[in-house]
Order: sequence, then C-alpha cells, then structure tokens
Amino acid sequence: GAGVSQSPSNKVTEKGKDVELRCDPISGHTALYWYRQRLGQGLEFLIYFQGNSAPDKSGLPSDRFSAERTGESVSTLTIQRTQQEDSAVYLCASSLATDTQYFGPGTRLTVL
Amino acid sequence: QKEVEQDPGPLSVPEGAIVSLNCTYSNSAFQYFMWYRQYSRKGPELLMYTYSSGNKEDGRFTAQVDKSSKYISLFIRDSQPSDSATYLCAMRYGGSQGNLIFGKGTKLSVKP
Repeated sequence: GAGVSQSPSNKVTEKGKDVELRCDPISGHTALYWYRQRLGQGLEFLIYFQGNSAPDKSGLPSDRFSAERTGESVSTLTIQRTQQEDSAVYLCASSLATDTQYFGPGTRLTVL
Repeated sequence: QKEVEQDPGPLSVPEGAIVSLNCTYSNSAFQYFMWYRQYSRKGPELLMYTYSSGNKEDGRFTAQVDKSSKYISLFIRDSQPSDSATYLCAMRYGGSQGNLIFGKGTKLSVKP
C-alpha cells in the first residue's frame, strides 16, 4: 500500500519568502506529526494532529510556523518570511492513534 | 542535559562484526522505546519497538531496554554493508500524546 508522501521533495527559496510543505499520510491514519531535522541533528518535534485538531503545537519554533490538516488527510506546514536557520529536512509521519509512526521521505528546504 | 543522548559516531566496522549502538535518557517517564534506521536522503524507517524494560529480537537485530539505568541498546549481528545508515533511537511517554523524542543518530558504516 501507499506510504506517507511529501511534496515537494526539494525546495529552494530566498530569505523572506513564504513556503508551503505538503504531507499525505497513510489512508486511515488519524495521527499526523511534523518533525524538523537539521544537518547532523536528530529529529525535532514540531506539531501533532489528531484528526484535524492540533492538541500540541509546542514544538513550533516561532509564530512564522503554522500547520493545518484537512480532516484526517492532507496536512500543510507553512513557514512565513523564511530565514536561513529554517534550512532543514522537514519530515512528516502518520500513525493509527499513537501507535507506530511511519515517516515520509521528507522535504529538503534550503533558504538562500 | 538533553533528554536523549546518542553518540553520533561515525562508527566503522568490518562486514560480519557485531555492532552495538546505545542511547541514554534522563526522563524516567519514557515508556516506549524505538530504533529507526535512516538511509541517506530518506525518511526514517522503524526497526524495533519495545515497551518498558526487556529484550526484543528480530532476525539479526536485538533491542534492549534497561529502565533502571535509563539506557537502551541496539545490537546488530553479522553486520552487512546494507546496514550502513544512520541509526536513531527514539522514545515517548505513555498516554495519548505520541510525539517522539529522538537522539541525534549514530552513523554506521559496514565495510565489505
């Protein structure tokens, strides 16, 4: 079956521009997570959705970051006024309730 | 002190060697422990998932959790060049909140 997909796979943008990253979870998975992985670092939790509500936004690093989820499907992570320190791989994972998390391939964001 | 500590390596071993990877953690509330494997430019894939203390074996892989010492390990027997990847430990609390706390990852290279 289809796994978690993310688009785009790579994104290069200029400092100050807004970007949107998309995640399509595994069908039927109620929970969806966004993580950030900076070069040489472990994954850093950003936000968690249960259905289309986000009970935990504590990992979002600043108010430039926001995320939405439509029902129990697609999620979009938006970064406004991008900064060079936002350069990272953004990973999405989905799971049934709080069971095993399955990760997508990530979006590699480069802010010039 | 970070919640999860993991030696980033790199670790280089000859084919056929036994590999030992470790993480320590500081928060005794963690109840679920995982090891993920991440190939270059790919998303993490789950290798092992354990609850509380004990051992779990799956083929060439054995995961150990020692909650009294706040220490988890992954052993790889008869290592193969295809095992060359970054290994990430991850853990989470019990209850309904499911986000994972990751170590930085250990980069493993198995030489033929």
